[in-house]
Amino acid sequence: QVQLQESGPGLVKPSGTLSLTCAVSGDSISSSTWWTWVRQPPGKGLEWIGEINHSESPNYSPSLKSRVTIFVDESKNQFSLKLTSVTAADTAVYYCAGDIDGTFHLDYWGQGALLTVSS
Amino acid sequence: QSVLTQPPSASGTPGQRVTISCSGSSSNIGSNDVYWYQQLPGTAPKLLIYRNHQRPSGVPDRFSGSKSDTSASLAISGLRSEDEADYYCAAWDDSLSAGVFGGGTKLTVL
Repeated sequence: QVQLQESGPGLVKPSGTLSLTCAVSGDSISSSTWWTWVRQPPGKGLEWIGEINHSESPNYSPSLKSRVTIFVDESKNQFSLKLTSVTAADTAVYYCAGDIDGTFHLDYWGQGALLTVSS
Repeated sequence: QSVLTQPPSASGTPGQRVTISCSGSSSNIGSNDVYWYQQLPGTAPKLLIYRNHQRPSGVPDRFSGSKSDTSASLAISGLRSEDEADYYCAAWDDSLSAGVFGGGTKLTVL
């Protein structure tokens, strides 16, 4: 059974950098799975942020591409999200997920981590 | 404004059949598989339908998906109170080289 667990600071100051990590168990970070980040602002819908696979270049949402980086740490079997120059609009629950065949087949989900941007 | 268009709400009474639509374009639904996710209140989304009409193990056959051209739909038959949730369609968009979700449909069981 694959399990994903997000971790992060909970609170980030405006103009700062948001960093989140997703620990993966039950699957290798180096498998064919596309490791994905999705976010959900309070009371709103889901937004795809981006994805990474160990052997391919990452893909990012065009609206976030200039501010986002997703990378893998094979030694810790985890992947991470970095979002720079954050504003209140980036306040959301951030989910990590696993796309088992690179077609948006998000079979695994973390429980979600709330990140609030506030001074 | 979502790339995939869903009605914001839907409703039905127990036992009824409800359908949720998802409209896209040739660059997403028209050329890629559609996925449906169910999000119960306060929980993470869960895969409900994959590759347009396939059900993961454990998903009741009351849930069914279909796709035609640039549109897709999710049907729920024999509606139950525990089906009350938000439902999202999703697909890869070749023009954006990105994944896109619909805006979500809140299903209320009356």
